[in-house]
Amino acid sequence: KQEVTQIPAALSVPEGENLVLNCSFTDSAIYNLQWFRQDPGKGLTSLLLIQSSQREQTSGRLNASLDKSSGRSTLYIAASQPGDSATYLCAVKGVNYGGSQGNLIFGKGTKLSVKP
Amino acid sequence: NAGVMQNPRHLVRRRGQEARLRCSPMKGHSHVYWYRQLPEEGLKFMVYLQKENIIDESGMPKERFSAEFPKEGPSILRIQQVVRGDSAAYFCASSPVRTYEQFFGPGTRLTVL
Repeated sequence: KQEVTQIPAALSVPEGENLVLNCSFTDSAIYNLQWFRQDPGKGLTSLLLIQSSQREQTSGRLNASLDKSSGRSTLYIAASQPGDSATYLCAVKGVNYGGSQGNLIFGKGTKLSVKP
Repeated sequence: NAGVMQNPRHLVRRRGQEARLRCSPMKGHSHVYWYRQLPEEGLKFMVYLQKENIIDESGMPKERFSAEFPKEGPSILRIQQVVRGDSAAYFCASSPVRTYEQFFGPGTRLTVL
């Protein structure tokens, strides 16, 4: 059974700092991994999608890496801003579980607070 | 291209009533997924549908919950005889094919009094 863990559960940093959010998963047989952002009371915004054959993806100040063999992904945020404050969720789409292998398995998220 | 649309955004029901949640996927997306986010918990998969077919309902409670995605119209998640424990945010996502990126709607926040 796939389990996704995100560490830390919460993180507070001063504005301008570079930071790393961690995600680990127990079953390395995955199709892809997605990072999302969720603002309080809102839906999920997809930030980056990494296919299983890829090692990293970049979008603006965000960089996500994937090490499938070790079951780890990191989300790097450069030059953090107060507007980056949100909960960041990691989710994997697996190969071996679920009759359809269509659903995402989510971690519980890292709640990020960037102080001005 | 409009994103995934869900309505209503907020729904209040009394115990024993029925709740109907609607989801319109992004244009060109034929795969729909429903997830539930309970307070202080992560998102949990409920059901995966394609047009007129339930592909995987392994995450759905066995009783009171049902889902459909008809040939025409939105996908519907139906909860009969709601109980307080059903209070949660229900999110719908869509993708063009199974292995592709999923795009999420804004969610429906269900409160059961």
